[in-house]
This record gives sequence, structure tokens and C-alpha cells, in this order.
Amino acid sequence: ELKVEQNPLFLSMQEGKNYTIYCNYSTTSDRLYWYRQDPGKSLESLFVLLSNGAVKQEGRLMASLDTKARLSTLHITAAVHDLSATYFCAVDKDSNYQLIWGAGTKLIIKP
Amino acid sequence: DSGVTQTPKHLITATGQRVTLRCSPRSGDLSVYWYQQSLDQGLQFLIQYYNGEERAKGNILERFSAQQFPDLHSELNLSSLELGDSALYFCASSGGTYNEQFFGPGTRLTVL
Repeated sequence: ELKVEQNPLFLSMQEGKNYTIYCNYSTTSDRLYWYRQDPGKSLESLFVLLSNGAVKQEGRLMASLDTKARLSTLHITAAVHDLSATYFCAVDKDSNYQLIWGAGTKLIIKP
Repeated sequence: DSGVTQTPKHLITATGQRVTLRCSPRSGDLSVYWYQQSLDQGLQFLIQYYNGEERAKGNILERFSAQQFPDLHSELNLSSLELGDSALYFCASSGGTYNEQFFGPGTRLTVL
């Protein structure tokens, strides 16, 4: 059974600091997705990672994928308050486009 | 704006009742997914439809059912509602090369 684990589940950090959220998954998959959710709002797609070694960056966020280690990271550089949100990773199940979701990482960035 | 629409935005009802949630996917997307998000259980996949046919089933209760119509909009029917069914219900659609899912704004269901 495909399982997706994120850690940490909760992260409180200061503005200006760097940090990394980890997403581990249990079986082979070639597609990994990162989403952002603001409180009470919908989920917004951030990154789609399609192959081993894929790296994508948008502003202060950078995501990478290591399919051999079954690990993706979401790195936050010089955090700002606006990045406070819950971040989810999700992995394709058997490449049939049903996504298996991590529990989410609630990120709070304090001024 | 993802291009996925959901109605209603809010729904308040009583235990034992039945409600219908509606979703219109992005133009051209053939797949529709339904999710339930409650505070204590995170994001739970319920069911997926592709071009009118059920494609995958997740943790969907027997009291819940869904369908996708020829115009590709989808409805999620929730019956014999219980207090524990109170949650945010999201619809998502996909159809691009990488099947990235785009989420609607959600329907907040409150069962009293």
C-alpha cells in the first residue's frame, strides 16, 4: 500500500530563516505534487515533479525529487509571513492519477 | 481562480437529511475527483470519475454517492447525514498532460 509521510507536521519559524519540509513515500512513483492551502481556503498547485532529480523553483520555494530515495523536499528560503500556510505533498498511485496525500505540514512564519 | 466551480459554498443541515453538492470542472478536463477534509482526518479521497465513468474509489461511505453527467459536471450526494459528516468537501479536476489536479473553492457542510 502506498503511504506518504510528511515531516514535520507543524513548523513555526522566524522570518528570514531557511527550512525544509520532507515528503517520503513508500513505493515507486514517478510523479509528485506539492500544494499549498491557506486556512479555510482551497488547495493551490505549487509544483509538479515528474522525474528523478527534478528541481523546480518559484520565488522562495524550491522543490526537488529523488525517486530512488522516494523523497521530495520543499525548501523555503528566507521565509516571509505570506508563506504561512499548510503544505501538502501527494504521489500518484500506480500512475492512474489517483493521488495519495500526505497529512500536510502547517507552517507558521512569525515576523 | 482554478476554473473549477462548486456550489453551494456553505450548507447547513440537520442529521438524517440528504444534500447534493455540485461541481463543474475546468473546461476540457475529463476527470473529476471528490475529497473530504475535516479537522481531525486531513484530506480524504472519496471518488474519481473520468468522462462519466467511475475510475477510482477511496474512503467513500455507502451513504455517499456520486455521478458525472454527460456535460462533465459532477454531483456528490450525501444521505442520512451524521454530525461527523461536517467537513469541507472539495472537487478537483484534471486533464492536462501531467494530470495535475485543480481544486474548486469547496463546500463547507455543517450538520447540526
